[in-house]
Amino acid sequence: GNSVTQMEGPVTLSEEAFLTINCTYTATGYPSLFWYVQYPGEGLQLLLKATKADDKGSNKGFEATYRKETTSFHLEKGSVQVSDSAVYFCASGGANSKLTFGKGITLSVRP
Amino acid sequence: DTGVSQDPRHKITKRGQNVTFRCDPISEHNRLYWYRQTLGQGPEFLTYFQNEAQLEKSRLLSDRFSAERPKGSFSTLEIQRTEQGDSAMYLCASSLASGGPDTQYFGPGTRLTVL
Repeated sequence: GNSVTQMEGPVTLSEEAFLTINCTYTATGYPSLFWYVQYPGEGLQLLLKATKADDKGSNKGFEATYRKETTSFHLEKGSVQVSDSAVYFCASGGANSKLTFGKGITLSVRP
Repeated sequence: DTGVSQDPRHKITKRGQNVTFRCDPISEHNRLYWYRQTLGQGPEFLTYFQNEAQLEKSRLLSDRFSAERPKGSFSTLEIQRTEQGDSAMYLCASSLASGGPDTQYFGPGTRLTVL
């Protein structure tokens, strides 16, 4: 079956630091890949997605590129803000769009 | 667009009792999903509907769990004879099937505590 592995957390950064959150997947075929974010006290929100190899998803300064050769979809942001503090989930989706999530990673950004 | 809503937001019950949760998807969405999330884990797929048809059920969904979407709009998830291991956040999501990968929109979840 499909699986998604995220780097272990939590991650604590200072404001304006560079962020990378690693995500790798295993799947049959070529899934779509997603990053979801959960801000404190809120529900899961789609942050960005990519549907095929070499696609780059981007939103709110975050980017992730679908790398088929390394089966990865790492999330990056050049300069994090305190408001980016949240839990980030990587997910893969198959033909029926059922999502397989990673465990999530908590990001805390210090002023 | 009022988003996906779930009711109740919190439920505390005693072991052995039955509970039912409701999900109202975004109105034009024809797909509806249920997930379960335990502390420190990502959501795990339980089941999904396209219109009123339940198309897939996870092995996580034991015989004590049943889900319905009778008119292809709202959905209910019932857990019979609850166990302490059922304590979790139950998430509902909806999407519009588009022939490609859908974007799922999640509700706020129902947190179940089984005493």
